[in-house]
Amino acid sequence: DVKVTQSSRYLVKRTGEKVFLECVQDMDHENMFWYRQDPGLGLRLIYFSYDVKMKEKGDIPEGYSVSREKKERFSLILESASTNQTSMYLCASSSRPPGAYGYTFGSGTRLTVV
Amino acid sequence: GEDVEQSLFLSVREGDSSVINCTYTDSSSTYLYWYKQEPGAGLQLLTYIFSNMDMKQDQRLTVLLNKKDKHLSLRIADTQTGDSAIYFCAERLDSNYQLIWGAGTKLIIKP
Repeated sequence: DVKVTQSSRYLVKRTGEKVFLECVQDMDHENMFWYRQDPGLGLRLIYFSYDVKMKEKGDIPEGYSVSREKKERFSLILESASTNQTSMYLCASSSRPPGAYGYTFGSGTRLTVV
Repeated sequence: GEDVEQSLFLSVREGDSSVINCTYTDSSSTYLYWYKQEPGAGLQLLTYIFSNMDMKQDQRLTVLLNKKDKHLSLRIADTQTGDSAIYFCAERLDSNYQLIWGAGTKLIIKP
């Protein structure tokens, strides 16, 4: 069963901490994405990557960075966590271009910054 | 810019049909998708429709595509409590192959 795995379901971090969210896919997909989801705002794209060591800013990249050192792994980094980054974070992957299977999502990480 | 719109909520009685609507903007989109998100979980692909189709049926799910009006709908027959979820519509832009998402429709089932 193909999957996208996010390392944590729930995280609680303190303001100012550096936070790493990890995502691993086993489908040999070229594309990987990080979204945040907030009530009433839908999915907002933070960063995406079309290849190893390659990254592109999405709609809301401020306060975040990413790393893709290996094809299967895409990490989201909150350089200095703030309370307004409390959210559900979703990782996804797809083939290039995405076809009938669209994007495959992980189960999400609910991050609370206190 | 590109935009996908859907109503935020839909309430139906158990056993009735649910129809979730979506409008999109890119007439050249090759694929359109419906995803389901259960509480506390990630998004799961329910079905897709290719742009040269008008309708696609899969068990209790029927997808209708009106390309002229750029309108997509998802009908769930005999709605059950397990269908309670948020349903997202998405279109694939053929310019850059990114998926553009609607805000999601929360389906509420009344007993």
